[in-house]
Amino acid sequence: KNQVEQSPQSLIILEGKNCTLQCNYTVSPFSNLRWYKQDTGRGPVSLTIMTFSENTKSNGRYTATLDADTKQSSLHITASQLSDSASYICVVSLNTGFQKLVFGTGTRLLVSP
Amino acid sequence: DGGITQSPKYLFRKEGQNVTLSCEQNLNHDAMYWYRQDPGQGLRLIYYSQIVNDFQKGDIAEGYSVSREKKESFPLTVTSAQKNPTAFYLCASSIVSRGHTEAFFGQGTRLTVV
Repeated sequence: KNQVEQSPQSLIILEGKNCTLQCNYTVSPFSNLRWYKQDTGRGPVSLTIMTFSENTKSNGRYTATLDADTKQSSLHITASQLSDSASYICVVSLNTGFQKLVFGTGTRLLVSP
Repeated sequence: DGGITQSPKYLFRKEGQNVTLSCEQNLNHDAMYWYRQDPGQGLRLIYYSQIVNDFQKGDIAEGYSVSREKKESFPLTVTSAQKNPTAFYLCASSIVSRGHTEAFFGQGTRLTVV
């Protein structure tokens, strides 16, 4: 069964601190993995995309890693800001004729002043 | 501005009533999707459409219906047959870029049954 699991479910950190969110997946055939940021009551917005051959990709203070062998990805947030408070969703695409998206349940991050 | 517009942002429905959620995109994307989001759960696919006048059931299509008469529009009707319709509904469209699908989401509609 195609599944995406994220941990932790929720996280509270102090402003300025770093944090790492985890994503494990059992999806086949794998096409790519994206991290989305979803503010409360809003639609998700893409942060990064990781393909099979990529290990690390950065987008400002966000750095995503992918280990295709262990089927794990992480999202590292550096020097957190209050505006980073949101849900972060890991999404894996299947490499079929229709690229179906499999969503994780998300990690809810709260950055505290 | 290019993007996906969902309306209304909040919607209240009485039990037994059908209600239609609007989704419009001006991104010229062929594929469009409807997802449902419940607390503590990942997004679940209701229906998707890869081209005008064609749509397919997703994982939780029961109690929902869609139409795709225009490329820009993909409305979702929540029927009285949907037993637990209170949820956050997200519309998305997608494009294949460098061999990979990228989905763009609307701002969502929160439906509450009263």
